[in-house]
Amino acid sequence: EPEVTQTPSHQVTQMGQEVILRCVPISNHLYFYWYRQILGQKVEFLVSFYNNEISEKSEIFDDQFSVERPDGSNFTLKIRSTKLEDSAMYFCASKNLGAEGEQFFGPGTRLTVL
Amino acid sequence: QQQVKQSPQSLIVQKGGISIINCAYENTAFDYFPWYQQFPGKGPALLIAIRPDVSEKKEGRFTISFNKSAKQFSLHIMDSQPGDSATYFCAASRTSGATNKLIFGTGTLLAVQP
Repeated sequence: EPEVTQTPSHQVTQMGQEVILRCVPISNHLYFYWYRQILGQKVEFLVSFYNNEISEKSEIFDDQFSVERPDGSNFTLKIRSTKLEDSAMYFCASKNLGAEGEQFFGPGTRLTVL
Repeated sequence: QQQVKQSPQSLIVQKGGISIINCAYENTAFDYFPWYQQFPGKGPALLIAIRPDVSEKKEGRFTISFNKSAKQFSLHIMDSQPGDSATYFCAASRTSGATNKLIFGTGTLLAVQP
């Protein structure tokens, strides 16, 4: 069964460093998302991406964040200068065209900012 | 208006019992209401979803009840099993929008005791 994959599973970084979180969405999906979940809290929408551009972003997704689909398979989230409060689980999700809202989530990357 | 309120925060049920989790929303533009199940260290996985044109949807032991006028929906888990112990998130989405982003509830930690 196709699945969304994410790497790395755990990333530890120093405050102020740049991190890139990687995702491989399900191959025939066209909509891509990043969500985050601070420990013990709800899952929050960060950004959606369709047709090679951002279609919507939340207020969390400030200038420190960027997304890219560098090739036909990967979808990345970059945080330019990490802050302590960026520590969270980051989930990538993808959705097929026409699938009624059904988003498939990856296993997540745990980001720890020290 | 974008919030989805979920209760209870945690729930303990005996094996074989019924687990009930409730959610409420305000934005009448939402037209897709999924429930996600999350095990520790894993990403959310779609369990069951409903659209507001039906009042109930059943898949195996899992049933969603939907009350459009009250803007409420609930998940019922019949014959609850220890393997159902997980965190459950309700969510809502507007599928006519450009992004179909999911707005999640705060989650319910379910523990099914043997």
